[in-house]
Amino acid sequence: NAGVTQTPKFQVLKTGQSMTLQCAQDMNHNSMYWYRQDPGMGLRLIYYSASEGTTDKGEVPNGYNVSRLNKREFSLRLESAAPSQTSVYFCASSVTMNTEAFFGQGTRLTVV
Amino acid sequence: GNSVTQMEGPVTLSEEAFLTINCTYTATGYPSLFWYVQYPGEGLQLLLKATKADDKGSNKGFEATYRKETTSFHLEKGSVQVSDSAVYFCALSDSQAGTALIFGKGTTLSVSS
Repeated sequence: NAGVTQTPKFQVLKTGQSMTLQCAQDMNHNSMYWYRQDPGMGLRLIYYSASEGTTDKGEVPNGYNVSRLNKREFSLRLESAAPSQTSVYFCASSVTMNTEAFFGQGTRLTVV
Repeated sequence: GNSVTQMEGPVTLSEEAFLTINCTYTATGYPSLFWYVQYPGEGLQLLLKATKADDKGSNKGFEATYRKETTSFHLEKGSVQVSDSAVYFCALSDSQAGTALIFGKGTTLSVSS
């Protein structure tokens, strides 16, 4: 009963390096999301995919790209990491855009 | 645009005290409202939800009523336990606007024995 699985759980990057955060869900959900969580800021939406084959920008998309690889998988890529991208990243999925979302355990990313 | 405002934390209570965490929202359509809880080092878990006005969501002793007239969805619990210590997030989704979940900034609850 995995739900939403994110990898890796922890990552340290040097400024300018690139990496991809992976997310997979096994609940046959149509919609998937990437959020970042920073102290005092709550959760802010980076990108979302309302359904397979579509992606859209959220509140804070700059510096990120996403790929909806198939219905199960939604990856987040940092092309050139910056210290401002130090954060905890959460992937989530839901049946449709207006239903409750289920979250992964998060990826703690530090950019030095 | 849509938004969610939660009371600032942290909230510090003794065990068995009454809890209220205020949440108000702004929405252009007819939102669904949610409370999520985040325990240390974990992801968010859905605590309760309400999908239309006057609905009451409840789970694990927590309750919240969707009040359209006051645009509020306050979280309450009659008697908190140490194990309730966590961060609580109010959120909304708006099917008419087709938006993803929008979260408040979170309220940290600390319960001492």
